[in-house]
Amino acid sequence: SSELTQDPAVSVALGQTVRITCQGDSLRSYYASWYQQKPGQAPVLVIYGKNNRPSGIPDRFSGSSSGNTASLTITGAQAEDEADYYCNSRDSSGNHPCVFGGGTKLTVL
Amino acid sequence: EVQLVESGGGLVKPGGSLRLSCAASGFTFSSYSMNWVRQAPGKGLEWVSSISSSSSYIYYADSVKGRFTISRDNAKNSLYLQMNSLRAEDTAVYYCAREGWFGELLIYGMDVWGQGTTVTVSS
Repeated sequence: SSELTQDPAVSVALGQTVRITCQGDSLRSYYASWYQQKPGQAPVLVIYGKNNRPSGIPDRFSGSSSGNTASLTITGAQAEDEADYYCNSRDSSGNHPCVFGGGTKLTVL
Repeated sequence: EVQLVESGGGLVKPGGSLRLSCAASGFTFSSYSMNWVRQAPGKGLEWVSSISSSSSYIYYADSVKGRFTISRDNAKNSLYLQMNSLRAEDTAVYYCAREGWFGELLIYGMDVWGQGTTVTVSS
């Protein structure tokens, strides 16, 4: 099956902008979705498709894509944005419906 | 309110079996594909299994194929995961998640998640 690769950890100063990336062959064909997971909680979908936010997700979250890389950008990071972030897309190998990235731990300093 | 509630987790010995359930409410369950996703302690999310709305298409991760069986009962708005021949490495929080419909096949995402149920495989 395909794989999605994420940096294990990223940090950002409070109020600054941070980009979290996800790389994989599947992303040449399909959009990534992004999930936020805080300790002890279920994941929450924050971005899907080209750059769409579900209801209730702040507009400081945005998504983009180029080639085999998808990015989640948080503009003006807040303390409450400290969490694990996972990317996810269809699996272009066709063996499975989808694949997850390994996750990125975001620390807000 | 759109909601998924998992149950059935617990402590089981290696080689044992467990059946997880997921009760859906607040949406037309029979219209959506559903997934099980797990998370081992301190690890990332791992897709486990998917089932289409009418059960016509079923998929499994290689790590559980032949041991786990996904099923659904649309009349009862429920999703299930029968887990047999459990191993220590199956220890995880198991989430039930709805595959969202976003209007085009290029987009994949799980837009509703349950709170998870914990499975511990240990002697």
